[in-house]
Amino acid sequence: DTEVTQTPKHLVMGMTNKKSLKCEQHMGHRAMYWYKQKAKKPPELMFVYSYEKLSINESVPSRFSPECPNSSLLNLHLHALQPEDSALYLCASSQVGGAGELFFGEGSRLTVL
Amino acid sequence: GDSVTQMEGPVTLSEEAFLTINCTYTATGYPSLFWYVQYPGEGLQLLLKATKADDKGSNKGFEATYRKETTSFHLEKGSVQVSDSAVYFCALRGRAAGNKLTFGGGTRVLVKP
Repeated sequence: DTEVTQTPKHLVMGMTNKKSLKCEQHMGHRAMYWYKQKAKKPPELMFVYSYEKLSINESVPSRFSPECPNSSLLNLHLHALQPEDSALYLCASSQVGGAGELFFGEGSRLTVL
Repeated sequence: GDSVTQMEGPVTLSEEAFLTINCTYTATGYPSLFWYVQYPGEGLQLLLKATKADDKGSNKGFEATYRKETTSFHLEKGSVQVSDSAVYFCALRGRAAGNKLTFGGGTRVLVKP
């Protein structure tokens, strides 16, 4: 099983809403990532979890709150977002250490009204 | 820091034409190199990879060779199909602790019948 599964695929929310994006993998990877991708741009790293602990936060605003409940799951909690936060949010996983590839999910397309 | 430069698109080709997308990189040490592909409305898929100098990655008719002397990892395909229309990202990942995946800007390829 080489899949990273993200839900929901599409999400529309108002600026006062609270919502969550979910990501799941069963490849035994202990590193998980959140990326943000705007149209016609490469993905930008937001957060990295290593062994369920937050290891990298790329100065992401606090309205984005990541959570890694266990080694297979990764959540991104969203609150008080702005319209400019509308983007494709990608989850990825990999082995910890080394220089191996990241496996990406299909993404959650977020629209903030 | 690490960086990846790839040719800007869009690249427009006719079916069965030869495709080449240039990619050069700057990195310390010996990174792994990747090509990811993103089809319209989808997430990123690993197309091919190379982990050391002179390695050739190949998949679905695409090839790329890790050239340390020219710090390049150009992507080639001898005969493209309409289904190859996508955005292609060159990327590298170093071997140091906290190693991130560094993307190039992406190249949009459009294959016309």
